[in-house]
Amino acid sequence: DIQLTQSPSFLSASVGDRVTITCRASQGISSYSAWYQQKPGKAPKLLIFASSTLQIGVPSRFSGSGSGTEFSLTISSLQPEDFATYYCQQLGSYPFTFGGGTKVEIK
Amino acid sequence: QVQLQESGPGLVKPSETLSLTCTVSGGSIRSYYWSWIRQPPGKGLEWIGYIYYSGSTNYNPSLKSRVTMSVDTSKNQFSLKLRSVIAADTAVYYCTRGEFEQMLVSDYWGQGTLVTVSS
Repeated sequence: DIQLTQSPSFLSASVGDRVTITCRASQGISSYSAWYQQKPGKAPKLLIFASSTLQIGVPSRFSGSGSGTEFSLTISSLQPEDFATYYCQQLGSYPFTFGGGTKVEIK
Repeated sequence: QVQLQESGPGLVKPSETLSLTCTVSGGSIRSYYWSWIRQPPGKGLEWIGYIYYSGSTNYNPSLKSRVTMSVDTSKNQFSLKLRSVIAADTAVYYCTRGEFEQMLVSDYWGQGTLVTVSS
């Protein structure tokens, strides 16, 4: 199985900050990656797929980049509603796997 | 607007079979891939597998020996059975939709249903 290592696992930031979360894959997955946002008690929400394609309806302050084994999710200006846990996912090889998550909290 | 809704028992005894159904509304079950993903309390996400509307499946090898997925296109539903459950199978179970053109990412999710394995 492809292991995904997210960093940091916890992030404390302020409204307006630029935030970047990294996801490292144990093997190359081309651009077969996605990012999800999950709020407490809710299902995850798709933000980005194919490394950098923004899902319809997702604010443009979210962006993704990377290919191969390293991917990143950037929030250009953190908003109050962005405080949540973020997960990366790889879809380049079965079984699909997720990173361990990054919890973004208010500083 | 596509909506997914999981249904099934919230409590299952150890060694028994967990059975969940996902009902799709607001769209057809045809031409999509339908996945089950679970999340133990306070932990991360685990992909269980998917079933295509035609019935072809792909399961996570870690669960493959215990999992069966099925689809009923006439009812716009798909189902999960997980046999011989243990406490570690306690989790929120989500059903999701994916499509080939979007790499099978989960673009629609059910609200999730907590299944507790306990005697």
